[in-house]
Amino acid sequence: DAGVTQSPTHLIKTRGQQVTLRCSPKSGHDTVSWYQQALGQGPQFIFQYYEEEERQRGNFPDRFSGHQFPNYSSELNVNALLLGDSALYLCASSYSSPNSPLHFGNGTRLTVT
Amino acid sequence: GENVEQHPSTLSVQEGDSAVIKCTYSDSASNYFPWYKQELGKRPQLIIDIRSNVGEKKDQRIAVTLNKTAKHFSLHITETQPEDSAVYFCAASKITGGGNKLTFGTGTQLKVEL
Repeated sequence: DAGVTQSPTHLIKTRGQQVTLRCSPKSGHDTVSWYQQALGQGPQFIFQYYEEEERQRGNFPDRFSGHQFPNYSSELNVNALLLGDSALYLCASSYSSPNSPLHFGNGTRLTVT
Repeated sequence: GENVEQHPSTLSVQEGDSAVIKCTYSDSASNYFPWYKQELGKRPQLIIDIRSNVGEKKDQRIAVTLNKTAKHFSLHITETQPEDSAVYFCAASKITGGGNKLTFGTGTQLKVEL
């Protein structure tokens, strides 16, 4: 039973560029959340997708957008990259029921130069 | 919004000793409190969670206590072992129409020394 998978594992981009990160949820899960984890910090909630719609959003600018596909997989897009966007981006999946435990992927390490 | 504070930021214990990590939260509506362990370069892994209708939960060497009145919860690890060395994060969330949005603490680096 595959867990949450993310790709790519590492990525280096230049300021101003755009990036797309991908996530496949754990089998059976229908809800995908994205978190940003800066070095030495706890993960910060970006947004959550369910039934192909953004259900909740954290305090991130519109440069951060996402999508969920009919097979529950998801993408995170970041436009006009800033140096401060350098972080580990974690995808987590869960069931849609309230307080269903989150299962995290290994993350994508994004470096913006 | 919710704010979660976590202490201490680093904790060093001798193997076999107990370790306690404490968190406070600000939103009295929060009702779910998970703890995650993150080893260097790896994903956060859920180790235990507690819901607001329970005051304490135990799983082998790990226990979590919750004080809703004071809005704080704690992780207790007994008989620590070197493999317990990692960063531990507490988190809090509340039901908002389904799913959960976790607010994490800043983490505690636990080091278990031989």
